[in-house]
Amino acid sequence: GESVGLHLPTLSVQEGDNSIINCAYSNSASDYFIWYKQESGKGPQFIIDIRSNMDKRQGQRVTVLLNKTVKHLSLQIAATQPGDSAVYFCAENRQGGSEKLVFGKGTKLTVNP
Amino acid sequence: GAVVSQHPSRVICKSGTSVKIECRSLDFQATTMFWYRQFPKQSLMLMATSNEGSKATYEQGVEKDKFLINHASLTLSTLTVTSAHPEDSSFYICSARRDRTSNQPQHFGDGTRLSIL
Repeated sequence: GESVGLHLPTLSVQEGDNSIINCAYSNSASDYFIWYKQESGKGPQFIIDIRSNMDKRQGQRVTVLLNKTVKHLSLQIAATQPGDSAVYFCAENRQGGSEKLVFGKGTKLTVNP
Repeated sequence: GAVVSQHPSRVICKSGTSVKIECRSLDFQATTMFWYRQFPKQSLMLMATSNEGSKATYEQGVEKDKFLINHASLTLSTLTVTSAHPEDSSFYICSARRDRTSNQPQHFGDGTRLSIL
């Protein structure tokens, strides 16, 4: 199940199940969104991105859904594997002045064998 | 493979020491690089945007005299933490964007864990 810890929400799934990680963003002017995976002690690794003129994009085993009406983003991972265990961050690209990425708080995914 | 290299990966030093961290784009030129700071179990916070050939742009609350940024070439940006103290201990991560156009992902280095004793 999913729970919210002191700092980092967590999600535990069984190997082979599908995982859904959610993210709410704040700025309706953001036009580009990215999901990153961060393993312990490493930098974030790009997974998939989506522009605001789309509502769905698929990659290998991953799908990103964008709902601009409610400012919600989700990452779906099919057939989750132990190697998928990591912290997942969504990031929104904010326009205006200097363009920059703003990261969400992250979700720790644990895949149980 | 990695497209952004960061060095060193870990630094342990005494209070009052200045520490330099390097960020290199490996197979592309990056006119803009970014420096982030991350505390345990928290998200990445942008510290500053490093611009090749000009001054860095610092986020609100980040002391520019404390965190010196130099972007002297199209493949290298450095962050120097001056007179570091224990509260500066953190995970520092850099990133670069391969393309100058917007709406392209930033690629991250593997971070530098800084521990000030």
